[in-house]
Amino acid sequence: AIRMTQSPSSFSASTGDRVTITCRASQGISSYLAWYQQKPGKAPKLLIYAASTLQSGVPSRFSGSGSGTDFTLTISCLQSEDFATYYCQQYYSYPPYTFGQGTKLEIK
Amino acid sequence: EVQLVESGGGLVQPGGSLRLSCAASGFTFSSYSMNWVRQAPGKGLEWVSYISSSSSTIYYADSVKGRFTISRDNAKNSLYLQMNSLRAEDTAVYYCARDRPRIPDAFDIWGQGTMVTVSS
Repeated sequence: AIRMTQSPSSFSASTGDRVTITCRASQGISSYLAWYQQKPGKAPKLLIYAASTLQSGVPSRFSGSGSGTDFTLTISCLQSEDFATYYCQQYYSYPPYTFGQGTKLEIK
Repeated sequence: EVQLVESGGGLVQPGGSLRLSCAASGFTFSSYSMNWVRQAPGKGLEWVSYISSSSSTIYYADSVKGRFTISRDNAKNSLYLQMNSLRAEDTAVYYCARDRPRIPDAFDIWGQGTMVTVSS
């Protein structure tokens, strides 16, 4: 199975900051990568698929990049509603589909 | 409105069985592959099972293979997960999730989840 590793596991930031979360795959996955946002007690929400394509309705302050093994999710100007946990997921080689362990973004 | 609604969770003893359901609405259910994903309390997301639109292709995570069975009824717009021989480590919120149209693809619609607790 392909292992997905996110960094950092958690960090604090302030409203208005630009933040970047990294996801690394244990082997190449082309651009078959998605990013999800999850708030406490809620279902995950798809933000980005195909590594860099913004899902319909997702604010443009979210962006994704990368291919192969290294990927990033960037939030250009943090808003209060962005404090949540973010997961990457590969869908290149399955089964199984695999998720990263999550990155918890907290308010500083 | 495109929507997935899970039901069937609850408290079950180790070794017991439970059947989860996921009711789809607002889209052509028969055109989409579907998945079950779970999340243990305080933990990350774990993919559990996949079924193609026609039920011709089915996958399971190794952790549930031989114990769980995924199925669907396109006439009823419903997805199911039959869970047998349940273990404490199966305790989690179970989500159904829709694949985007491409194969393979990300999961674009998720239900609200149903809690399964395996405990004596």
